[in-house]
Amino acid sequence: DTEVTQTPKHLVMGMTNKKSLKCEQHMGHRAMYWYKQKAKKPPELMFVYSYEKLSINESVPSRFSPECPNSSLLNLHLHALQPEDSALYLCASSQGDRRYGYTFGSGTRLTVV
Amino acid sequence: AQSVTQPDIHITVSEGASLELRCNYSYGATPYLFWYVQSPGQGLQLLLKYFSGDTLVQGIKGFEAEFKRSQSSFNLRKPSVHWSDAAEYFCAVGAGQAGTALIFGKGTTLSVSS
Repeated sequence: DTEVTQTPKHLVMGMTNKKSLKCEQHMGHRAMYWYKQKAKKPPELMFVYSYEKLSINESVPSRFSPECPNSSLLNLHLHALQPEDSALYLCASSQGDRRYGYTFGSGTRLTVV
Repeated sequence: AQSVTQPDIHITVSEGASLELRCNYSYGATPYLFWYVQSPGQGLQLLLKYFSGDTLVQGIKGFEAEFKRSQSSFNLRKPSVHWSDAAEYFCAVGAGQAGTALIFGKGTTLSVSS
């Protein structure tokens, strides 16, 4: 298995809703990442988990809450989002050594209404 | 600070013509460099990577890239473009220690005309 699987692929939520994005990989990668990507822009880093511990939080608002239950799973819990949070949310994983690159999932397209 | 510059925002190439996408980086040590491609609404697919050794790197889908330390460049090339190559292309550098994130350029949109 050489993939990163993200669910759901599409999500529409109201500003008062609570939802979660899920990311799963079975490549034995020990670092996992959440990126946010707006249209026609490069991905922007949100969080990094290394060996299941949060190692980087790029000053992301608290309405985004990451969770790494085990080495294969990464969640992003969403609460009280704003319309400007609408974007493609990408999960990635890596072996922890940047030489090997990063494997990205196909993303969750989030629309906040 | 580390950075990646992709000078061309949008490039249009005729089908069958050759392609070169430019990438310049700023990094203090030997960089780990990557090219990713993204089709509309999709995730990023790794085309190729460089971290040491032969400066001409072969990737998937017929792409190659050449690392030139003297020019701080890592340009992506393809000898004959296919309509299916139309997409967004991102150059990225792996900076810092293991487990730290990629730094992306702003991307180049490739259009292919028939």
